Amino acid sequence: DAKTTQPNSMESNEEEPVHLPCNHSTISGTDYIHWYRQLPSQGPEYVIHGLTSNVNNRMASLAIAEDRKSSTLILHRATLRDAAVYYCILINYGGSQGNLIFGKGTKLSVKP
Amino acid sequence: DVKVTQSSRYLVKRTGEKVFLECVQDMDHENMFWYRQDPGLGLRLIYFSYDVKMKEKGDIPEGYSVSREKKERFSLILESASTNQTSMYLCASSLVQDSEKLFFGSGTQLSVL
Repeated sequence: DAKTTQPNSMESNEEEPVHLPCNHSTISGTDYIHWYRQLPSQGPEYVIHGLTSNVNNRMASLAIAEDRKSSTLILHRATLRDAAVYYCILINYGGSQGNLIFGKGTKLSVKP
Repeated sequence: DVKVTQSSRYLVKRTGEKVFLECVQDMDHENMFWYRQDPGLGLRLIYFSYDVKMKEKGDIPEGYSVSREKKERFSLILESASTNQTSMYLCASSLVQDSEKLFFGSGTQLSVL
């Protein structure tokens, strides 16, 4: 699977939008972009994924650049419960069989 | 909601002991996984299983074995625990048709003294 690059940490204020960037310049045409997050003392949880088009769900939005070499996870209104480590992962469906390679992620801090 | 339950939240064992970490999922998932998580190293895959009695080695299988006698249960075994196996162990499961959407347990923090 191709490599991703994320900032080590970011800070946000409560109730403000947060944009978490991810660079993946070596992404292949069949790689999906997945985001997971890990709250303190919890296992990771799935957030969102996409291939080419922007995606929205109840947790977040995923904006994918036209050339697919970068993407941004958007939390529309950060809450204190969104403080977590966010992982951007590229997955070649059928090739990974669920064997996901988690990098170091971005640690998001949310200030009241 | 899918629930993945790990039997212990914290475990303390002595060097040389045989250690069993149990994981149970309640959503009939075919795939199950064992990861370990260490500061600065992220999550690393130890073993995974696509079906009952099937197992595949992940990236760091040395010193570990697994057992999957029933679909809902996946056990990680440390045959002779060593101090470098002190870590957070995370179990996960997924459906075959949605294999990249993993559901994780809360983890077991194992300390080997």
